[in-house]
Amino acid sequence: EDQVTQSPEALRLQEGESSSLNCSYTVSGLRGLFWYRQDPGKGPEFLFTLYSAGEEKEKERLKATLTKKESFLHITAPKPEDSATYLCAVEGDYGQNFVFGPGTRLSVLP
Amino acid sequence: KAGVTQTPRYLIKTRGQQVTLSCSPISGHRSVSWYQQTPGQGLQFLFEYFSETQRNKGNFPGRFSGRQFSNSRSEMNVSTLELGDSALYLCASSYASEIVPYEQYFGPGTRLTVT
Repeated sequence: EDQVTQSPEALRLQEGESSSLNCSYTVSGLRGLFWYRQDPGKGPEFLFTLYSAGEEKEKERLKATLTKKESFLHITAPKPEDSATYLCAVEGDYGQNFVFGPGTRLSVLP
Repeated sequence: KAGVTQTPRYLIKTRGQQVTLSCSPISGHRSVSWYQQTPGQGLQFLFEYFSETQRNKGNFPGRFSGRQFSNSRSEMNVSTLELGDSALYLCASSYASEIVPYEQYFGPGTRLTVT
């Protein structure tokens, strides 16, 4: 059964303090790993898709990387508007549904 | 391009009633997935429809059902509501391909409260 865990559960950063969020997965044949951002009371917003180990994607202050067992979301010099819950999801070879992790709740203090 | 829309946005129902939620996917997307999100369980997959056929189903009781129409719009129905069904119900659409995995785009959700 495909499984996704994320750490830490919650993270508080000062504005400008860089850090990384972890997503560890167990999947039978990874077709894709996806990162989302979710603000309270809203639907998740798509950020990145990673397909294979070694791949990296960047967008503004965010950079996602992928290995065979885990993915990292690096946040460089975060701002308060980066505060949100960050979710990762995997799609494996079996079935077409995503399996989501529990998320990391990020708070960036001014 | 218009995003995924869901109606209604908020709903209050009584135990034992049934409810129907609606989702309109992004134009051109043929796959629609439904998720239940609660603080304790996170995002849990309910089912996925592709070209009017249910392609995948999560581990939810038969009280949860859905369908997709020829224009890709989808509905989900929950019968005999229980207090534990209170949640944010999210719909996501995707271009969908068996060769390349495509990202899913989510709607704003329907907040269902069962009293």
